[in-house]
Amino acid sequence: NAGVMQNPRHLVRRRGQEARLRCSPVKGHSHVYWYRQLPEEGLKFMVYLQKENIIDESGMPKERFSAEFPKEGPSILRIQQVVRGDSAAYFCASSPEQPNQPQHFGDGTRLSIL
Amino acid sequence: AQTVTQSQPEMSVQEAETVTLSCTYDTSESDYYLFWYKQPPSRQMILVIRQEAYKQQNATENRFSVNFQKAAKSFSLKISDSQLGDAAMYFCAYYSAGSARQLTFGSGTQLTVLP
Repeated sequence: NAGVMQNPRHLVRRRGQEARLRCSPVKGHSHVYWYRQLPEEGLKFMVYLQKENIIDESGMPKERFSAEFPKEGPSILRIQQVVRGDSAAYFCASSPEQPNQPQHFGDGTRLSIL
Repeated sequence: AQTVTQSQPEMSVQEAETVTLSCTYDTSESDYYLFWYKQPPSRQMILVIRQEAYKQQNATENRFSVNFQKAAKSFSLKISDSQLGDAAMYFCAYYSAGSARQLTFGSGTQLTVLP
């Protein structure tokens, strides 16, 4: 079984551009989570989605950031008009429908802003 | 809001020896889960061990075991017979058994294993 797949592994953008990060959950998992890891820090929760629904976006900045998990296809984390402070590793995790199951993480996307 | 504190930014251990990584947390909930994740230089997040708060027995996974003290809100990780491959950043994480579903991570402990 394939684990959580994130792409790209590395993404370089110039200030003001848009960044799109993709996440395909473990097959059969219907819950997706995005976390951000700044250098030398732990992971911080951003958003929790189920298919076609945002359940909790309390950790996501109100401006420039958005996330979706369409009925078909991967989950997308979109960052518009990127700034230097957006440079970080972004991790996606997934879990099954049953509650209280461990989250399985992807290898992350390292976003670098020039 | 829950908080997780790892007070040891760095630890080192001699190969084959035992090391304990500390973690404390703050919560008003009674039903939750605690995890230790390992992040090697490859940056993968690997689940090491999991503890349900309602279980008194400490979880073990081969060379990894925890000391869970619910009243003290402490959740330490013991690594026995340390191996070079254990070198990594270790994160303690809290998970509410309610509807929140988000993991709250500590700031991590960088473990070095000395040959």
